[in-house]
Amino acid sequence: GENVEQHPSTLSVQEGDSAVIKCTYSDSASNYFPWYKQELGKRPQLIIDIRSNVGEKKDQRIAVTLNKTAKHFSLHITETQPEDSAVYFCAAPNDYKLSFGAGTTVTVRA
Amino acid sequence: DVKVTQSSRYLVKRTGEKVFLECVQDMDHENMFWYRQDPGLGLRLIYFSYDVKMKEKGDIPEGYSVSREKKERFSLILESASTNQTSMYLCASSFGTGGYWNQPQHFGDGTRLSIL
Repeated sequence: GENVEQHPSTLSVQEGDSAVIKCTYSDSASNYFPWYKQELGKRPQLIIDIRSNVGEKKDQRIAVTLNKTAKHFSLHITETQPEDSAVYFCAAPNDYKLSFGAGTTVTVRA
Repeated sequence: DVKVTQSSRYLVKRTGEKVFLECVQDMDHENMFWYRQDPGLGLRLIYFSYDVKMKEKGDIPEGYSVSREKKERFSLILESASTNQTSMYLCASSFGTGGYWNQPQHFGDGTRLSIL
């Protein structure tokens, strides 16, 4: 939705390199920021989320950072692997509904 | 593990038909959602429900209605299908604690609907 902007729309990285996806949101009251991964032909699945009382959260090779002042949050994938190839969606609450970004197609080149 | 089951993976209907998409979840979740997914537009919320018989409009409710007669089941209805409703439809559910906008959502596999 237009309340959450996501960039880039496509991202191609060499295996082993890092990938970063950034989202900006408009509702300053937002306090929950999930990231979903959707592999080809499959359902979106939550991979990590962060709440506004923390600035960063890590889970193995993925991390999310949050800057509430600037109203943006980012997904970082380190040491990318072929199985990281997918579409990634960010989301943020807006007017008491979860709004999703348009998605980033990540391709990991072997 | 949470299971959200959508009745059909693929569905082909004709313009003007009344179409029903069904979704069932097995985790006793209070909240249920219907989204449509189109390339370059992400997931757009059609309707959601935070309790039995309760429904709220999302961002794109025009041409759709919903029904939630039982906690585990949430139906999306296309009153008179049109070609611009050809899309992937995703159902999701979440716990009610802390607000329906504030909890992880669990998605079904989706229904790819084609309106001819």
